Amino acid sequence: SQTIHQWPATLVQPVGSPLSLECTVEGTSNPNLYWYRQAAGRGLQLLFYSVGIGQISSEVPQNLSASRPQDRQFILSSKKLLLSDSGFYLCAWSVLWGEATGELFFGEGSRLTVL
Amino acid sequence: GNSVTQMEGPVTLSEEAFLTINCTYTATGYPSLFWYVQYPGEGLQLLLKATKADDKGSNKGFEATYRKETTSFHLEKGSVQVSDSAVYFCALSSGSSYKLIFGSGTRLLVRP
Repeated sequence: SQTIHQWPATLVQPVGSPLSLECTVEGTSNPNLYWYRQAAGRGLQLLFYSVGIGQISSEVPQNLSASRPQDRQFILSSKKLLLSDSGFYLCAWSVLWGEATGELFFGEGSRLTVL
Repeated sequence: GNSVTQMEGPVTLSEEAFLTINCTYTATGYPSLFWYVQYPGEGLQLLLKATKADDKGSNKGFEATYRKETTSFHLEKGSVQVSDSAVYFCALSSGSSYKLIFGSGTRLLVRP
């Protein structure tokens, strides 16, 4: 069966510090991978998605970047965090082709607080 | 472009009350429609889905029918429980790119 894990689960960082959130998927090959952000009391904002190794699409210009060094690994990074980067970050995957209907499978989430 | 509109919350109900959370969408083509649920401090879980017009998705007592004529996918449950307290997100698929477009979420609070 497929599983998705992201870490760390909770992170408190000072303004201006770097960030690295990691996400890995097991039990599937060639997944689409996604990073979403959920700000407090708000909906989900798609930040990045990737359809293959080294291929990243950015949905919103911002202080963050994403990388996909391996087929089932997706990393969210920042060189210098801003207060506005605080939020709940969710990694997700979906089937690339075939019988897919667009269903996403989410990780447990990483809560980032920037002070 | 494609979009999803949900009723604003919070929705507060007593246990065993009837639940409706409205969702309407704007889309080109024939999207698939989803309801996801997020329990406190957790990621999202798929609750139910419908892939074509007039399909009814159902799970854990929740139901939603894909209404193309009214571009709606309202979530219903006949008798809610305290354990149903969560945030509910309506979403649609965005064609071949497999991006999901989410509504803003509706918080449900069920009181004993």
